[in-house]
Amino acid sequence: QSVLTQPPSVSAAPGQKVTISCSGSSSNIGSRYVSWYQQLPGTAPKLLIYDNDKRPSGVPDRFSASKSGTSATLDITGLQTGDEADYYCGTWDTTLTAGVFGGGTKLTVL
Amino acid sequence: QVQLVQSGAEVKKPGSSVKVSCKVSGGTFNTYALFWVRQAPGQGLEWMGGILPMFGPTNSAQKFQGRVTFTADESTDTTYMELSSLKSDDTAIYYCARVRLDYYGDPNYFDPWGQGTLVTVSS
Repeated sequence: QSVLTQPPSVSAAPGQKVTISCSGSSSNIGSRYVSWYQQLPGTAPKLLIYDNDKRPSGVPDRFSASKSGTSATLDITGLQTGDEADYYCGTWDTTLTAGVFGGGTKLTVL
Repeated sequence: QVQLVQSGAEVKKPGSSVKVSCKVSGGTFNTYALFWVRQAPGQGLEWMGGILPMFGPTNSAQKFQGRVTFTADESTDTTYMELSSLKSDDTAIYYCARVRLDYYGDPNYFDPWGQGTLVTVSS
Protein backbone atom coordinates (compact mmCIF):
# COMPACT_ATOMS: atom_id res chain seq x y z
CA GLN A 1 0.00 0.00 0.00
CA SER A 2 1.66 3.19 -1.20
CA VAL A 3 1.52 6.40 0.83
CA LEU A 4 0.58 8.32 -2.32
CA THR A 5 -2.43 7.10 -4.29
CA GLN A 6 -2.43 6.93 -8.08
CA PRO A 7 -4.86 5.22 -10.43
CA PRO A 8 -3.36 1.90 -11.60
CA SER A 9 -4.01 2.66 -15.24
CA VAL A 10 -5.24 5.28 -17.66
CA SER A 11 -5.72 5.15 -21.40
CA ALA A 12 -6.51 7.46 -24.27
CA ALA A 13 -6.18 7.66 -28.03
CA PRO A 14 -3.24 9.24 -29.84
CA GLY A 15 -3.52 13.01 -29.91
CA GLN A 16 -5.81 13.12 -26.92
CA LYS A 17 -5.14 14.33 -23.37
CA VAL A 18 -4.81 12.28 -20.22
CA THR A 19 -4.63 13.28 -16.57
CA ILE A 20 -2.96 11.24 -13.85
CA SER A 21 -3.79 12.05 -10.25
CA CYS A 22 -1.68 11.65 -7.13
CA SER A 23 -3.34 11.94 -3.74
CA GLY A 24 -1.55 12.30 -0.42
CA SER A 25 -1.86 14.10 2.88
CA SER A 26 -0.77 17.18 4.77
CA SER A 27 2.47 15.48 5.83
CA ASN A 28 3.63 14.89 2.27
CA ILE A 29 2.05 16.55 -0.77
CA GLY A 30 0.41 19.17 1.42
CA SER A 31 3.75 20.46 2.68
CA ARG A 32 6.44 19.51 0.15
CA TYR A 33 7.22 19.63 -3.54
CA VAL A 34 5.97 16.89 -5.84
CA SER A 35 8.00 15.33 -8.63
CA TRP A 36 6.90 13.03 -11.45
CA TYR A 37 8.83 10.28 -13.21
CA GLN A 38 8.35 8.42 -16.46
CA GLN A 39 9.51 4.81 -16.69
CA LEU A 40 9.51 3.40 -20.19
CA PRO A 41 9.42 -0.40 -20.40
CA GLY A 42 12.66 -2.00 -19.31
CA THR A 43 14.39 1.28 -18.44
CA ALA A 44 15.22 3.33 -15.36
CA PRO A 45 12.81 6.07 -14.26
CA LYS A 46 13.40 9.52 -15.70
CA LEU A 47 12.55 12.86 -14.12
CA LEU A 48 9.59 14.46 -15.87
CA ILE A 49 8.48 17.21 -13.48
CA TYR A 50 10.05 18.72 -10.35
CA ASP A 51 8.99 21.33 -7.80
CA ASN A 52 5.31 20.62 -8.58
CA ASP A 53 5.24 22.09 -12.06
CA LYS A 54 8.72 22.60 -13.53
CA ARG A 55 10.01 20.71 -16.54
CA PRO A 56 13.68 19.76 -16.87
CA SER A 57 15.27 20.79 -20.14
CA GLY A 58 14.42 18.34 -22.87
CA VAL A 59 10.99 17.39 -21.53
CA PRO A 60 8.32 18.43 -24.08
CA ASP A 61 5.75 21.00 -23.02
CA ARG A 62 3.07 18.38 -23.71
CA PHE A 63 3.82 17.31 -20.14
CA SER A 64 2.57 19.63 -17.41
CA ALA A 65 1.68 19.26 -13.75
CA SER A 66 0.13 21.10 -10.85
CA LYS A 67 -0.51 20.76 -7.16
CA SER A 68 -3.44 21.81 -5.03
CA GLY A 69 -3.65 21.08 -1.33
CA THR A 70 -2.86 17.41 -0.79
CA SER A 71 -3.20 16.33 -4.42
CA ALA A 72 -1.18 16.67 -7.58
CA THR A 73 -1.92 16.00 -11.22
CA LEU A 74 0.13 15.27 -14.31
CA ASP A 75 -1.34 16.21 -17.68
CA ILE A 76 -0.12 14.82 -20.97
CA THR A 77 -1.52 16.36 -24.13
CA GLY A 78 -1.10 15.33 -27.77
CA LEU A 79 -0.56 11.71 -26.72
CA GLN A 80 1.93 9.67 -28.72
CA THR A 81 2.52 5.93 -28.72
CA GLY A 82 5.97 6.63 -27.31
CA ASP A 83 4.34 8.02 -24.17
CA GLU A 84 3.26 4.51 -23.15
CA ALA A 85 5.01 4.05 -19.82
CA ASP A 86 4.54 3.89 -16.09
CA TYR A 87 4.28 7.24 -14.34
CA TYR A 88 5.13 7.81 -10.68
CA CYS A 89 4.66 10.76 -8.36
CA GLY A 90 7.01 11.28 -5.44
CA THR A 91 7.63 13.58 -2.51
CA TRP A 92 8.97 13.71 1.05
CA ASP A 93 6.86 12.74 4.02
CA THR A 94 7.55 14.78 7.14
CA THR A 95 5.93 12.25 9.49
CA LEU A 96 7.69 9.18 8.09
CA THR A 97 10.87 11.25 7.52
CA ALA A 98 11.26 9.29 4.31
CA GLY A 99 10.67 9.71 0.63
CA VAL A 100 7.42 8.31 -0.70
CA PHE A 101 6.15 7.35 -4.14
CA GLY A 102 2.78 6.64 -5.62
CA GLY A 103 2.05 3.10 -6.74
CA GLY A 104 2.47 4.10 -10.37
CA THR A 105 0.06 4.57 -13.26
CA LYS A 106 0.35 2.61 -16.48
CA LEU A 107 -0.49 4.75 -19.49
CA THR A 108 -1.81 2.98 -22.56
CA VAL A 109 -2.13 4.91 -25.80
CA LEU A 110 -4.84 3.07 -27.69
CA GLN B 1 26.56 16.19 -17.39
CA VAL B 2 26.29 13.90 -14.38
CA GLN B 3 26.11 10.17 -15.09
CA LEU B 4 25.62 7.29 -12.68
CA VAL B 5 26.85 3.82 -13.63
CA GLN B 6 25.98 0.89 -11.40
CA SER B 7 27.59 -2.50 -10.89
CA GLY B 8 26.29 -5.63 -12.55
CA ALA B 9 23.57 -8.11 -11.65
CA GLU B 10 23.97 -10.28 -8.56
CA VAL B 11 22.55 -13.61 -7.45
CA LYS B 12 22.59 -14.19 -3.71
CA LYS B 13 21.52 -16.83 -1.22
CA PRO B 14 18.97 -16.04 1.48
CA GLY B 15 20.67 -14.75 4.61
CA SER B 16 23.67 -13.34 2.75
CA SER B 17 24.53 -9.72 1.91
CA VAL B 18 24.88 -7.76 -1.31
CA LYS B 19 26.83 -4.58 -2.00
CA VAL B 20 25.86 -2.55 -5.06
CA SER B 21 28.06 0.26 -6.34
CA CYS B 22 27.17 3.45 -8.17
CA LYS B 23 29.98 5.41 -9.81
CA VAL B 24 29.38 9.09 -10.48
CA SER B 25 31.01 10.98 -13.32
CA GLY B 26 30.72 14.47 -14.74
CA GLY B 27 30.47 16.48 -11.57
CA THR B 28 31.69 17.21 -8.08
CA PHE B 29 31.02 14.02 -6.16
CA ASN B 30 31.23 15.36 -2.62
CA THR B 31 28.48 17.91 -3.26
CA TYR B 32 25.92 15.31 -4.29
CA ALA B 33 23.17 13.65 -2.27
CA LEU B 34 22.99 10.10 -3.59
CA PHE B 35 20.00 7.94 -2.77
CA TRP B 36 18.68 4.48 -3.52
CA VAL B 37 15.30 3.27 -4.74
CA ARG B 38 14.31 -0.30 -5.44
CA GLN B 39 11.67 -1.90 -7.64
CA ALA B 40 10.51 -5.45 -7.13
CA PRO B 41 9.41 -7.35 -10.24
CA GLY B 42 6.21 -5.84 -11.61
CA GLN B 43 5.95 -3.46 -8.67
CA GLY B 44 6.36 0.25 -8.01
CA LEU B 45 9.24 2.34 -6.70
CA GLU B 46 10.32 2.01 -3.08
CA TRP B 47 12.48 4.66 -1.39
CA MET B 48 15.34 3.21 0.64
CA GLY B 49 17.56 6.07 1.83
CA GLY B 50 20.98 7.39 0.96
CA ILE B 51 23.88 9.61 1.80
CA LEU B 52 24.18 13.39 2.08
CA PRO B 53 27.34 15.34 1.33
CA MET B 54 29.26 16.34 4.43
CA PHE B 55 26.67 14.73 6.71
CA GLY B 56 26.96 11.08 5.74
CA PRO B 57 24.19 8.48 5.67
CA THR B 58 20.59 9.48 6.23
CA ASN B 59 18.04 7.43 8.08
CA SER B 60 16.85 4.64 5.85
CA ALA B 61 13.23 3.77 5.32
CA GLN B 62 11.94 2.04 8.43
CA LYS B 63 11.59 -1.37 6.82
CA PHE B 64 15.30 -1.43 6.01
CA GLN B 65 16.65 -0.06 9.27
CA GLY B 66 19.34 -2.29 10.70
CA ARG B 67 19.80 -4.09 7.39
CA VAL B 68 21.03 -1.42 4.98
CA THR B 69 24.23 0.62 4.93
CA PHE B 70 25.02 3.55 2.65
CA THR B 71 28.63 4.59 2.15
CA ALA B 72 30.64 6.78 -0.18
CA ASP B 73 34.25 6.68 -1.37
CA GLU B 74 35.38 10.11 -2.51
CA SER B 75 38.62 8.70 -3.90
CA THR B 76 36.67 6.80 -6.56
CA ASP B 77 33.50 8.96 -6.76
CA THR B 78 31.48 5.88 -5.88
CA THR B 79 28.60 5.33 -3.51
CA TYR B 80 27.53 1.94 -2.19
CA MET B 81 24.39 0.32 -0.84
CA GLU B 82 24.83 -2.84 1.20
CA LEU B 83 21.79 -4.88 2.19
CA SER B 84 22.19 -7.75 4.64
CA SER B 85 20.09 -10.71 5.82
CA LEU B 86 18.68 -11.04 2.33
CA LYS B 87 15.27 -12.60 1.81
CA SER B 88 13.52 -13.71 -1.34
CA ASP B 89 11.36 -10.57 -1.33
CA ASP B 90 14.52 -8.45 -1.59
CA THR B 91 14.68 -9.60 -5.21
CA ALA B 92 14.45 -6.32 -7.10
CA ILE B 93 16.18 -3.82 -9.34
CA TYR B 94 18.12 -1.36 -7.18
CA TYR B 95 18.59 2.15 -8.56
CA CYS B 96 20.89 4.90 -7.36
CA ALA B 97 20.09 8.50 -8.18
CA ARG B 98 21.36 11.96 -7.43
CA VAL B 99 18.89 13.80 -5.25
CA ARG B 100 18.26 17.51 -5.13
CA LEU B 101 17.45 18.76 -1.66
CA ASP B 102 14.60 21.12 -0.84
CA TYR B 103 14.63 24.29 1.22
CA TYR B 104 14.52 22.23 4.43
CA GLY B 105 17.47 20.07 3.40
CA ASP B 106 15.27 17.04 2.77
CA PRO B 107 15.36 14.99 -0.43
CA ASN B 108 13.26 16.62 -3.14
CA TYR B 109 13.64 14.99 -6.54
CA PHE B 110 15.79 12.30 -8.20
CA ASP B 111 17.82 13.18 -11.28
CA PRO B 112 19.63 11.52 -12.94
CA TRP B 113 19.21 7.82 -12.24
CA GLY B 114 21.62 4.94 -12.66
CA GLN B 115 20.74 2.13 -15.03
CA GLY B 116 19.71 -0.20 -12.20
CA THR B 117 21.17 -3.40 -10.75
CA LEU B 118 19.13 -6.57 -10.57
CA VAL B 119 19.62 -8.45 -7.32
CA THR B 120 18.11 -11.93 -7.25
CA VAL B 121 17.80 -13.73 -3.92
CA SER B 122 17.29 -17.44 -4.38
CA SER B 123 18.35 -20.65 -2.74
